[in-house]
Amino acid sequence: QSALTQPPSASGSPGQSVTISCTGTSSDVGGYNYVSWYQQHPGKAPKLMIYEVSKRPSGVPDRFSGSKSGNTASLTVSGLQAEDEADYYCSSYAGSNNFPSYVFGTGTKVTVL
Amino acid sequence: EVQLVESGGGLVQPGGSLRLSCAASGFTVSSNYMSWVRQAPGKGLEWVSVIYSGGSTYYADSVKGRFTISRDNSKNTLYLQMNSLRAEDTAVYYCARVGDIVARDAFDIWGQGTMVTVSS
Repeated sequence: QSALTQPPSASGSPGQSVTISCTGTSSDVGGYNYVSWYQQHPGKAPKLMIYEVSKRPSGVPDRFSGSKSGNTASLTVSGLQAEDEADYYCSSYAGSNNFPSYVFGTGTKVTVL
Repeated sequence: EVQLVESGGGLVQPGGSLRLSCAASGFTVSSNYMSWVRQAPGKGLEWVSVIYSGGSTYYADSVKGRFTISRDNSKNTLYLQMNSLRAEDTAVYYCARVGDIVARDAFDIWGQGTMVTVSS
């Protein structure tokens, strides 16, 4: 299973919006509505930010939103804040023939200018 | 408090073995899907293995036949037995809970990670 493709970097000024793409195939992103997004600060464990394409866990600010079109999912961070500077990873269920598997994206470093 | 705490990482020679543990609190391991995810130094996340509540286990091709995921219900603990270790297995290993009804197929709870270094 190949990693999902994300841009290596993205940036924006405080208050602006940034959108990160996550491109897969019909066997993962395009085939299931089980795309999730994770935020990881340096030296820390990942944190779930979005699940099932567009749903937010309790406690995640509504500045974070997710969507999907075809084989590409997207994460948008609106109203950028300094604490949003981190690495972001997408993930998708990628099971086939009743053989469950999961795949992560290549990761995107978000910089708040 | 819902929490996962990994242990068992360390330095091991190529070809060696290591067993990682992940102690859970605040929820029952056997009632949930549980997974291992690793991250090589400076690299991205890689899914390693999952065990479903029914006991079925699945592995990434990169570790199939060498790693075994299991759990001890009495200790509420998840394990990863790693054999025939290679240099490319060097990574921080995270255990994570996988949502099956709410947050389906998302890794919603993560441990702090344990470092495994495979080197002579």
